[in-house]
Amino acid sequence: GQNIDQPTEMTATEGAIVQINCTYQTSGFNGLFWYQQHAGEAPTFLSYNVLDGLEEKGRFSSFLSRSKGYSYLLLKELQMKDSASYLCAVMDSNYQLIWGAGTKLIIKP
Amino acid sequence: IAGITQAPTSQILAAGRRMTLRCTQDMRHNAMYWYRQDLGLGLRLIHYSNTAGTTGKGEVPDGYSVSRANTDDFPLTLASAVPSQTSVYFCASSVRDQETQYFGPGTRLLVL
Repeated sequence: GQNIDQPTEMTATEGAIVQINCTYQTSGFNGLFWYQQHAGEAPTFLSYNVLDGLEEKGRFSSFLSRSKGYSYLLLKELQMKDSASYLCAVMDSNYQLIWGAGTKLIIKP
Repeated sequence: IAGITQAPTSQILAAGRRMTLRCTQDMRHNAMYWYRQDLGLGLRLIHYSNTAGTTGKGEVPDGYSVSRANTDDFPLTLASAVPSQTSVYFCASSVRDQETQYFGPGTRLLVL
């Protein structure tokens, strides 16, 4: 079957760096997405990786290794507003997104 | 309108009742999707539509139906609601089926 694994919850300190990991096993691969979801709100798009390597976008970076079925989202200079759930999703061979359950990130002052 | 809207925002529904959740987008996106989100689980695809006039079944289609009469609207109908359909429902759209998906604000549904 298809499976996306990510930690349920992580805690980090304001101003620090945190890395959220995602491993996947899917039927085919057409890219990996990261979304941010604040409590009670809709998911919002953060990043997309389809080739191996690091994609940097301001304080957020996303890394992909297709051979290892692995990605991570790196958040730098953490701010209180970064407290949210981070969702990893893989687009399979049918161009459907398979979603992880999300990682709840708690930022402490 | 800018983006995707959903209605209602929330609803309490008696089991056995019929309910339609509305979704409208003004971005002229070809593809639209309905997901449900339950605590501890990832988003699960209910139905999708790659273009107006076509629909397809996702991972959890039972008990739900959709239609896509035009580009903008993609309603989701629960023919006879059951308590297990209590969830948060998100509509999403993308330029085409291979592109980034953008989400509406969601509908919180409680079936009693």
